[in-house]
Amino acid sequence: DIQMTQSPSSLSASVGDRVTITCRASQGVSTYLAWFQQKPGKAPKSLIYAVSNLQSGVPSKFSGSGSGTHFTLTINSLQPEDSATYYCHQYHTFPYTFGQGTKLEIK
Amino acid sequence: EVQLVESGGGLVQPGGSLKLSCEASGLNFNGFALHWVRQVSGKGLEWVGRIRSTSHNYATTYTASLKGRFTISRDDSKNTAYLQMNGLKTDDTAVYYCSAYEDEWSGTTYYYQTAVWGTGTTVTVSS
Repeated sequence: DIQMTQSPSSLSASVGDRVTITCRASQGVSTYLAWFQQKPGKAPKSLIYAVSNLQSGVPSKFSGSGSGTHFTLTINSLQPEDSATYYCHQYHTFPYTFGQGTKLEIK
Repeated sequence: EVQLVESGGGLVQPGGSLKLSCEASGLNFNGFALHWVRQVSGKGLEWVGRIRSTSHNYATTYTASLKGRFTISRDDSKNTAYLQMNGLKTDDTAVYYCSAYEDEWSGTTYYYQTAVWGTGTTVTVSS
């Protein structure tokens, strides 16, 4: 199975900051990489697909980049509502796999 | 409004069975592949498996550790997908989500361009 490793596992940032979350795949996944946001008690919400394409309705403060085995999610101008856990996800090879998650706290 | 609604969760004893349902509305169900993902409380997301559309002969794929115990099926006339879980273990305790993606894009990087998720149903395996 392809292992997806996110870093950091958690981070704390202030309103207005920019943060970057890294996701590394144990094998190349080309551009078959998505990012999800999950708030407590809620279902995951798709933010980005194909590395850098925003889902409809997702604000442009979110951006993704990378290819192969190294990917990043960047969130600009942090707001309190961005507090959540973020997961990367590869859909290149079965079984599809998720990163372990990065918990973002807004101070 | 496009939505998926899971149901069928509950408390079951170890070794027991449970069948979850995922009912869709507001989308062309026939053209979507349905996935199941689970999440142990306080833990990360685990992909369980998927079933493709009729155009792809309802092909199924599972994560290896669950194959043989879990079976995904669908009834397009009811806009509903199912997850049959047998031989349940305490480790299967989790929230189970279904999600839908347009099957025609499967195998391409744009597969996830249309992503619909349900709100989840909770399965507890305990004696």
